[in-house]
Formats: sequence, C-alpha cells, structure tokens
Amino acid sequence: GENVEQHPSTLSVQEGDSAVIKCTYSDSASNYFPWYKQELGKRPQLIIDIRSNVGEKKDQRIAVTLNKTAKHFSLHITETQPEDSAVYFCAASIGGGGADGLTFGKGTHLIIQP
Amino acid sequence: GAGVSQSPSNKVTEKGKDVELRCDPISGHTALYWYRQSLGQGLEFLIYFQGNSAPDKSGLPSDRFSAERTGGSVSTLTIQRTQQEDSAVYLCASSLGLTSGGEKLFFGSGTQLSVL
Repeated sequence: GENVEQHPSTLSVQEGDSAVIKCTYSDSASNYFPWYKQELGKRPQLIIDIRSNVGEKKDQRIAVTLNKTAKHFSLHITETQPEDSAVYFCAASIGGGGADGLTFGKGTHLIIQP
Repeated sequence: GAGVSQSPSNKVTEKGKDVELRCDPISGHTALYWYRQSLGQGLEFLIYFQGNSAPDKSGLPSDRFSAERTGGSVSTLTIQRTQQEDSAVYLCASSLGLTSGGEKLFFGSGTQLSVL
C-alpha cells in the first residue's frame, strides 16, 4: 500500500518568512495530493491540492509543487502570518473521483514566531 | 446542517465498556470516512463507505471496532470492550465520492474518547 512520509514534524519560522513542508510517497500510481490544515482544537480543512498532470499550483501565499519522478511534493507558504500556525497534513491517493485510498502523512506542526 | 456533525463531542468511559460514536455527513455526500487521531499523531484511516457498496474495513485495528451506515447517510462507529489505547479523537469526514472533485474531504469536529 501507499506510504507517505512528511518532514519536518515541527517547523518554527519568524513571521514574514517562508515555510516549506515536504512529503514523499511510495506508490507511483498515486495521482492526487491534497494538503489539510488543522488549527488547534479544530477540524482539518483542505487548503490546496494538486493532481499529477500539474507540476505546480498556487493560491495566494500558498503553493504546492510536485515531482513525480522523485515521488515527492511540497507545500510552500510565503510571508507567513500568525494565523498560519497549525498542523499541516499532506496526503496521497490514486484518486479517480473518490478519496478512497487517501493516505495521510503524520503532520507538521508549524509555529509562526512573532 | 451545513457541515459534518459528530456526537458526542466528548466521551469518557471505563475500560471494558462499549461506546457508540455518531456521524451525520453533509447531505448528498455519498462517501463517508472514519479516521482516528491520537495525540500528536497523524490521521489513521479506519473505514470507508461509498454509497451502497460494501465498506472498506481495511483500517479497523481489531474486531472490537465496527461501523455501519444506515440509509446511505448517518454512520455509527462502535467500539466494544474499550481499552485505554483506544483513547483518541475519532474524526468523521464525507465527500461527494465518485464524482469529479469528489476527493475533497469535509471533516467533522470529532469525538474525543477517553478510556479510563
């Protein structure tokens, strides 16, 4: 089955700096890669996703890059703000319209230092 | 309601007792998932329902865990003879299922289960 590794487990950055979270996956058939953000005490929420036919996707201060050859993908947050503090989870799946087979990484606790 | 609803929000039980956790998905979502999140850990897949198909139970950690989904809507996760290691947040999620863009999961607020 799919195995998703996520690094680092904790990341502390100064407000205004950039943050990068990296994930690797094992199943070359995976073609859908979402990122979820979970603020303290709240439910996970999808913030951005990418499919394997695209190498990069951007939404304001958030971007995700995908390297299919190396089987890794990354979340980039620029100009970090206090509200970016949360746990971020990457995931990978074969997709196909349903989220069955969605495997999550163990999460990265992002801390934005004022 | 507008989102995925779970109840109870908190459950404290004694070791050996059975518990039932409820999930009410977003109306029209055909796919429903249960995940377990232990303190400081990731999201552990438990079970997946898609429409009227047989559920994918591959993530259930033991035969003490079971789940059902009645009428393709509300789901109940049952843990029998609870153990202390069952203590965790149990998250339910739903999605549009087998449609384009159906991969986006909408999570409930979870049930915090504490087994004493």
